[in-house]
Amino acid sequence: GAGVSQSPRYKVTKRGQDVALRCDPISGHVSLYWYRQALGQGPEFLTYFNYEAQQDKSGLPNDRFSAERPEGSISTLTIQRTEQRDSAMYRCASSQESPGTASYYEQYFGPGTRLTVT
Amino acid sequence: EDQVTQSPEALRLQEGESSSLNCSYTVSGLRGLFWYRQDPGKGPEFLFTLYSAGEEKEKERLKATLTKKESFLHITAPKPEDSATYLCAVQADRDDKIIFGKGTRLHILP
Repeated sequence: GAGVSQSPRYKVTKRGQDVALRCDPISGHVSLYWYRQALGQGPEFLTYFNYEAQQDKSGLPNDRFSAERPEGSISTLTIQRTEQRDSAMYRCASSQESPGTASYYEQYFGPGTRLTVT
Repeated sequence: EDQVTQSPEALRLQEGESSSLNCSYTVSGLRGLFWYRQDPGKGPEFLFTLYSAGEEKEKERLKATLTKKESFLHITAPKPEDSATYLCAVQADRDDKIIFGKGTRLHILP
């Protein structure tokens, strides 16, 4: 079946512009995570959703970053007034089980959106 | 603060030369420890979940083990196609945040 998809795959934007990154999880997956990954580093947690509810946003760097998942499926990560330091690979992952209840947390990652702020 | 440290940062092995990758972790109450494989330009791909000390899991040439302080990913008789970055991650039992290490870049020479 289809895996996790993300769009756009590449985004170049000018400093100060807003960007919206989209994640389409595997159908039926309850949990959705957003990560940021710098070159040569592991994924860095940003936020996650259980269905449409944002459960933890402690990893969002500042209030320019926000995320939503209004219908419990597709999610959007929005960065307002982008800065050069926001340049990175942004990845999302989805998981079938609901956190806190199941014992199996396999996450399926999308291909990522490479964001470049000039 | 929850922390994951992987070593070595990079490892070059000859084909068939077995070795182990280390993941040391600090977490207040471990819910699970995960191993992922990441190929260049792609997202991480799940390998294993370990839940308690003493647990072991195997998949082809890979075997993951877990103690109270660290996990090892043993690679037996590796092949060039095993070349990738191997990521370790932990999840605490107090929340659902997943903390990744920086990974070990493994290169198997034919």
